[in-house]
Amino acid sequence: EADIYQTPRYLVIGTGKKITLECSQTMGHDKMYWYQQDPGMELHLIHYSYGVNSTEKGDLSSESTVSRIRTEHFPLTLESARPSHTSQYLCASSESMGRANEQFFGPGTRLTVL
Amino acid sequence: GESVGLHLPTLSVQEGDNSIINCAYSNSASDYFIWYKQESGKGPQFIIDIRSNMDKRQGQRVTVLLNKTVKHLSLQIAATQPGDSAVYFCAVNNAGNMLTFGGGTRLMVKP
Repeated sequence: EADIYQTPRYLVIGTGKKITLECSQTMGHDKMYWYQQDPGMELHLIHYSYGVNSTEKGDLSSESTVSRIRTEHFPLTLESARPSHTSQYLCASSESMGRANEQFFGPGTRLTVL
Repeated sequence: GESVGLHLPTLSVQEGDNSIINCAYSNSASDYFIWYKQESGKGPQFIIDIRSNMDKRQGQRVTVLLNKTVKHLSLQIAATQPGDSAVYFCAVNNAGNMLTFGGGTRLMVKP
């Protein structure tokens, strides 16, 4: 079982609200990722981080922002939620190696914007 | 960029039969391949991975086959059980050593 946690697991919120999705891992991994996923569909990378103070945009354009102040914590923020943001958000982490390797996933946050 | 596709969005098998899920990728430079299982309401869980210096790797009831010539990857599940019902994703590393995910195959196991 991976030691990566996401809160909340489910969130229903009105349009225009500011939200922060939390992600924490206790594995000491340098690399962390946020993916957006519609039910049963492929995962789209929206943000990633190589380590503290590093944040990069992924392949899928997103209005969300991220921060990485501590190794274990990688929160995602939406300043003004819209119905188009309704989706599942998955956080992941991996060891920092010279080559690609396994990513460990959290349980996800299912976001619904009304 | 890398593109990854699965051949079938849905696969239905009888309990006890073997399952084969296929995946194709586009970048011949990819050298790391991984299969994930995602159950309803959960995040993806690692099943098995393989690097390009191998063409076969076995785990418990699962085997991954890699054919670099035709850029094809498959996951074989032996003696499929109801607990194997889930969506299966293949993922391949891209130029930035990030993972590109395929679209997922939903495996349904009939009792």
